[in-house]
Amino acid sequence: DAGVTQSPTHLIKTRGQQVTLRCSPKSGHDTVSWYQQALGQGPQFIFQYYEEEERQRGNFPDRFSGHQFPNYSSELNVNALLLGDSALYLCASSFWEAGNTIYFGEGSWLTVV
Amino acid sequence: KQEVTQIPAALSVPEGENLVLNCSFTDSAIYNLQWFRQDPGKGLTSLLLIQSSQREQTSGRLNASLDKSSGRSTLYIAASQPGDSATYLCAVSNQAGTALIFGKGTTLSVSS
Repeated sequence: DAGVTQSPTHLIKTRGQQVTLRCSPKSGHDTVSWYQQALGQGPQFIFQYYEEEERQRGNFPDRFSGHQFPNYSSELNVNALLLGDSALYLCASSFWEAGNTIYFGEGSWLTVV
Repeated sequence: KQEVTQIPAALSVPEGENLVLNCSFTDSAIYNLQWFRQDPGKGLTSLLLIQSSQREQTSGRLNASLDKSSGRSTLYIAASQPGDSATYLCAVSNQAGTALIFGKGTTLSVSS
């Protein structure tokens, strides 16, 4: 049973560019959440998707957007990259009805230069 | 606004020692609290989940307690081993299925 998988694992982008990160949830899970973790900090919630709709959003600008597909996989898009967007981006999946058990992927390391 | 604080930020202990990590939160109206482990550059692994109605949870050498009224949780690690070296993160959820609010973590180093 595959856990949460994320791609790419590492990437380097230039300031002003756009990036797309991908996530496949654990088998059977229907809810995907995205978190940003800067060095030395705890993860911060970006948004959550269920039934292809954004259900909750953290305190992130509109440059951060997402999508959930019918197979429950998800994408995180960041436009007009800033140096401060450099971080580990974590995807987490869960079962909406359960609301408790959450599984994290290994993350995507984004470096903006 | 819920805030989570973890003390200490870093801890170094010799192998075999018992230790306690602390977590505090400002709003006691939580749904649950979780402790996670994160190895350098890796994702998070859930260690223990405590529902708001529970007082503690145990898994092997780990024991987590929750005191909602005082806004505190502790993670007790018995007989520490070098393999326990990692960052331990505490997170609370205010409602079922909602966003987790994390502390900054405690980085533990266990020397052999």
